[in-house]
Amino acid sequence: RKEVEQDPGPFNVPEGATVAFNCTYSNSASQSFFWYRQDCRKEPKLLMSVYSSGNEDGRFTAQLNRASQYISLLIRDSKLSDSATYLCVVNIGDAGNNRKLIWGLGTSLAVNP
Amino acid sequence: DTEVTQTPKHLVMGMTNKKSLKCEQHMGHRAMYWYKQKAKKPPELMFVYSYEKLSINESVPSRFSPECPNSSLLNLHLHALQPEDSALYLCASSQVEGSTGELFFGEGSRLTVL
Repeated sequence: RKEVEQDPGPFNVPEGATVAFNCTYSNSASQSFFWYRQDCRKEPKLLMSVYSSGNEDGRFTAQLNRASQYISLLIRDSKLSDSATYLCVVNIGDAGNNRKLIWGLGTSLAVNP
Repeated sequence: DTEVTQTPKHLVMGMTNKKSLKCEQHMGHRAMYWYKQKAKKPPELMFVYSYEKLSINESVPSRFSPECPNSSLLNLHLHALQPEDSALYLCASSQVEGSTGELFFGEGSRLTVL
């Protein structure tokens, strides 16, 4: 089983739609979780950190389910500019040293007019 | 606008050439990273520098040689590369190594090895 798994998509949705991505992780000791966004031929950029209590930033909501070992990203009212690859990143290992970031393969989203 | 700057943006080199990639950040971050990314793949960690010392080398071939001259600069020296080394090379920084997953990436150097 891969350490971090995502559905690669592509997800094709119309403008204004709500779309959700899930990401599962295998290491129960994982410490922290992130969603990065990467536009075509650009660098990854941090979209959101994912907190245990869940967090929201405008149209974006991230949630963590430790019992089932997955995180989710919900995008409401999709815009054309949301078209990108969304990368799930998990920080594993114990506190202090030896933390390591594990990247999912990414989920491709295309928002269509 | 990214606060991590990388040069050059594009580089084409032959297998016998020696070239260097450069990265600079002025955010006061003490950890800097080199990642390699192939098309439709996630970034793959190569090296981590923490407080200007090499902290992690992910078993990268010796034809890639990192250097951290000071806390703001990170170089990647390239020598005798293979065509399969063609990729996007991303530099990143974070406040300290390992404390969070919040990395700030440069725009990358797109390398083609002929």
